[in-house]
Amino acid sequence: EAGVTQFPSHSVIEKGQTVTLRCDPISGHDNLYWYRRVMGKEIKFLLHFVKESKQDESGMPNNRFLAERTGGTYSTLKVQPAELEDSGVYFCASSQTGGNNSPLHFGNGTRLTVT
Amino acid sequence: GQNIDQPTEMTATEGAIVQINCTYQTSGFNGLFWYQQHAGEAPTFLSYNVLDGLEEKGRFSSFLSRSKGYSYLLLKELQMKDSASYLCAVREDIGDSNYQLIWGAGTKLIIKP
Repeated sequence: EAGVTQFPSHSVIEKGQTVTLRCDPISGHDNLYWYRRVMGKEIKFLLHFVKESKQDESGMPNNRFLAERTGGTYSTLKVQPAELEDSGVYFCASSQTGGNNSPLHFGNGTRLTVT
Repeated sequence: GQNIDQPTEMTATEGAIVQINCTYQTSGFNGLFWYQQHAGEAPTFLSYNVLDGLEEKGRFSSFLSRSKGYSYLLLKELQMKDSASYLCAVREDIGDSNYQLIWGAGTKLIIKP
């Protein structure tokens, strides 16, 4: 079974540019999550999809961030325009159900550097 | 408010035992996860506790005390490959059948020969 895959693995962009991150969850996993980890800090929740619907987007920092999951399969996270504080590792995770003990399966993350 | 504390870094010797503690303060507690993350890789699931007590899984065990807001991850017979960050995450119910995971900053475990 293929795991959660993220693309690109690294991205270096200048302030003001746009970047789109992609996540392919494990096939059959309805739940898809985006997280961000800034250097030395804890993982922070961004948002949660159930199939194509946004279940919870309370963690999205501001309207420069746009997440989509058309068709309920892969998801994209666009940052436009990027700011310096957006640098960090963006993780995507999926789970089969939203049940209590359903573990998250993480992708390797996209390391975003905004210069 | 929400708060999860775990030590920033720990060092242990190959073959030994190490205990990584996690304390938390949340409302609507509904389970605690431990994840392992090697540098540059994805966090991987280790354990889940929702009831008080010890869950054992091979060399790794996880303990939970809900009344004390406390958990630990116990690693036995340490191997060099156990060098990684260990993340404590608390699942919190936020109503309307929704929940969120609150993450600790992680404990970097260094194993020395």
